[in-house]
Amino acid sequence: DTAVSQTPKYLVTQMGNDKSIKCEQNLGHDTMYWYKQDSKKFLKIMFSYNNKELIINETVPNRFSPKSPDKAHLNLHINSLELGDSAVYFCASSQEGFGDLRAYEQYFGPGTRLTVT
Amino acid sequence: KNEVEQSPQNLTAQEGEFITINCSYSVGISALHWLQQHPGGGIVSLFMLSSGKKKHGRLIATINIQEKHSSLHITASHPRDSAVYICAVRNTGTASKLTFGTGTRLQVTL
Repeated sequence: DTAVSQTPKYLVTQMGNDKSIKCEQNLGHDTMYWYKQDSKKFLKIMFSYNNKELIINETVPNRFSPKSPDKAHLNLHINSLELGDSAVYFCASSQEGFGDLRAYEQYFGPGTRLTVT
Repeated sequence: KNEVEQSPQNLTAQEGEFITINCSYSVGISALHWLQQHPGGGIVSLFMLSSGKKKHGRLIATINIQEKHSSLHITASHPRDSAVYICAVRNTGTASKLTFGTGTRLQVTL
């Protein structure tokens, strides 16, 4: 049983194209995230959604648009792809707001390696 | 300067050695996470702590809130421990946001 799944695992595309990455979690969590890991393996948050509502948007270009159709899904659409978008994108989820620290643990998806040529 | 600093950046150890990875942060936090990223790329949460010490198998994580410092220890290290270990802090007052360190690449040899 995969807790947090992402598709596709690998994505190779040309500059200027539009692509989407899908994320689904079956943990019943109410908060989902997108992270970007660059070539130096540095992770940085991009977006966070809580109950389908955007709560964090970290100075990400407008070409990136997250969409959360329901609590279990958070998709990432990228327009007009650029070379600098090449990275590994991780989706994660957690359950927030219960006041129990254990509820804040994050579960990561396997990552999507995006290569823009 | 990154809000979360880890040391060392790279670490090579022989099997059986005791390993310590350090993490210092400069902001107020509500929790600190230790994550493990294997060569295959997947990220696994090892610990989340806000005070004291936690132990899981051969792994021990400690945190000193006053000194804004945490350590991850691995006892009796094994080649399968080879991975990148990442410290991340959850800032106070910022819902759901983790700020990450640059990671420590550990290689354990036979």
